Amino acid sequence: GQQLNQSPQSMFIQEGEDVSMNCTSSSIFNTWLWYKQEPGEGPVLLIALYKAGELTSNGRLTAQFGITRKDSFLNISASIPSDVGIYFCAGQPVTGGGNKLTFGTGTQLKVEL
Amino acid sequence: ETGVTQSPTHLIKTRGQQVTLRCSSQSGHNTVSWYQQALGQGPQFIFQYYREEENGRGNFPPRFSGLQFPNYSSELNVNALELDDSALYLCASSLGQGEHQPQHFGDGTRLSIL
Repeated sequence: GQQLNQSPQSMFIQEGEDVSMNCTSSSIFNTWLWYKQEPGEGPVLLIALYKAGELTSNGRLTAQFGITRKDSFLNISASIPSDVGIYFCAGQPVTGGGNKLTFGTGTQLKVEL
Repeated sequence: ETGVTQSPTHLIKTRGQQVTLRCSSQSGHNTVSWYQQALGQGPQFIFQYYREEENGRGNFPPRFSGLQFPNYSSELNVNALELDDSALYLCASSLGQGEHQPQHFGDGTRLSIL
């Protein structure tokens, strides 16, 4: 099945650094969401974006819905050890998709103390 | 804690067997979606149920089937299990099927096929 392209695939960062990851698609989406998944758990919703160009923050997390509606990025400022996990973008397709989700391939974040 | 609960947490089956996975949605959520997450991949949409009717299906064969009950809980059934069916099966619930209704996930059932 289709998956959105996320980059980077994985990253090691120092505690306190800022992190940036992005997600691209060949198709237009109406909604972009960002989830975080930790081992043994399901994805947890971080941020939802509903309008092209929208910039939304949730604590140290900031995400933007790209103007072309084909991409989104997520920034994490001042990373801490508990930020470790896999971050997934997910989009809701334009045509007849409702709220069904197409997920990205994931970005694995590892924090060096 | 999303309030979405799935059972069992782990399951081991052999090829050709049948399996039923269960999901209780978050209180008040009338829409349940099922996803398959293979190791190292993002979740893939299987199907969605809204008010006890199937409401969209991903690229999965008919041996993947489901039900939704009047209390909005749901089951995923898989017949004639194959080795490639080994995966984490995730259930997500939402307050409706509209675009502005984000899905909230349970912790999944880890299915292993021997």
